[in-house]
Amino acid sequence: NAGVTQTPKFQVLKTGQSMTLQCAQDMNHNSMYWYRQDPGMGLRLIYYSASEGTTDKGEVPNGYNVSRLNKREFSLRLESAAPSQTSVYFCASSDGHPADTQYFGPGTRLTVL
Amino acid sequence: QKEVEQDPGPLSVPEGAIVSLNCTYSNSAFQYFMWYRQYSRKGPELLMYTYSSGNKEDGRFTAQVDKSSKYISLFIRDSQPSDSATYLCAMIPGNQFYFGTGTSLTVIP
Repeated sequence: NAGVTQTPKFQVLKTGQSMTLQCAQDMNHNSMYWYRQDPGMGLRLIYYSASEGTTDKGEVPNGYNVSRLNKREFSLRLESAAPSQTSVYFCASSDGHPADTQYFGPGTRLTVL
Repeated sequence: QKEVEQDPGPLSVPEGAIVSLNCTYSNSAFQYFMWYRQYSRKGPELLMYTYSSGNKEDGRFTAQVDKSSKYISLFIRDSQPSDSATYLCAMIPGNQFYFGTGTSLTVIP
């Protein structure tokens, strides 16, 4: 099992450019999440998908959109990147039960110039 | 006020020391409490979780929850250089996880 995979690992964008971060999990989990991690701010939830076909906003959704393509894949799109979106982005998945933990991908380091 | 507060450190201890890491929270609806370890440039990985108040032990690690004080702790006994990482607390009332900012720990050989 690969667990949770993310592409790309690194990306540099110019202000105003768009891009999609890809995430896939092979653990048959129902729930998937997108976080950003910034120094001094910890992990902050951007969007989550409790099950296939549903998505909900988290703590910091502005400037992002998501798509739960199927049970395995959950993508995060930046339509018009801004320097404030420079961060490390983590995708995670869980079975959804409160006692089940989240499994994280390796992260995408995004720099917006 | 943030939902979860965690002292960012950094914390530096000699090998073999007992380490205490702590978080406080404000939402009494939190019921599940987790500790994650994150090595540099890696994603977080779960160390252990507890439900409601009480202690849970796993090898050198002990998680403690005091719901009356809204305070959780992680103790690491006989700390090793391989324990050097950032430790994040997390807690949930439902589908959303709330994370602390993380405490950076260095164990010096």
